[in-house]
Amino acid sequence: ETGVTQSPTHLIKTRGQQVTLRCSSQSGHNTVSWYQQALGQGPQFIFQYYREEENGRGNFPPRFSGLQFPNYSSELNVNALELDDSALYLCASSPGGTSGDWMSDTQYFGPGTRLTVL
Amino acid sequence: GDSVTQMEGPVTLSEEAFLTINCTYTATGYPSLFWYVQYPGEGLQLLLKATKADDKGSNKGFEATYRKETTSFHLEKGSVQVSDSAVYFCALRGAGTASKLTFGTGTRLQVTL
Repeated sequence: ETGVTQSPTHLIKTRGQQVTLRCSSQSGHNTVSWYQQALGQGPQFIFQYYREEENGRGNFPPRFSGLQFPNYSSELNVNALELDDSALYLCASSPGGTSGDWMSDTQYFGPGTRLTVL
Repeated sequence: GDSVTQMEGPVTLSEEAFLTINCTYTATGYPSLFWYVQYPGEGLQLLLKATKADDKGSNKGFEATYRKETTSFHLEKGSVQVSDSAVYFCALRGAGTASKLTFGTGTRLQVTL
């Protein structure tokens, strides 16, 4: 069983640029969530997609956007990059509604993409 | 809103010492509670979870009990190893919030010989 994978591993951008991060979900998972983890902090929820529809959003501006594809892979797009966007971006997949039990739904995290904005 | 508070680190222990990492939470209703571990340079790995009051999650010698009365989910291990050195995150998923996880700030554990 293949776990959650993310690409690229590292990325360096300059302020004002746009970036796309990619995530491949674990087999059989139809839900993907994205988190931002600043240095020394816990992950912060950005948004979640369930069967290609946004299913919840955290306190992030609209320049953070996402997509989920029919094969349940996902992208996180960030426009007009700011210095504070420098962080580890984590993707997590889960069985979601397939299991019929959201409360015990377990998220499995990828290794993350380290984004540095100069 | 939902929040998680963890004891600040770093926590430094000798091998075979007893470990406790405190975690308390604020949430409405009955959240699910999780401990995740992050090894250097890696993503988060689920360590254990509990989905209702008085449940005990356990894995790899680690345990945590969901205490509704004290809104706590403290992580314990009877005898730590050097390989347990990592950052530990307590997290909750609030009732009715699908799969959104709210994390604490993490506690770094350093185990020495």
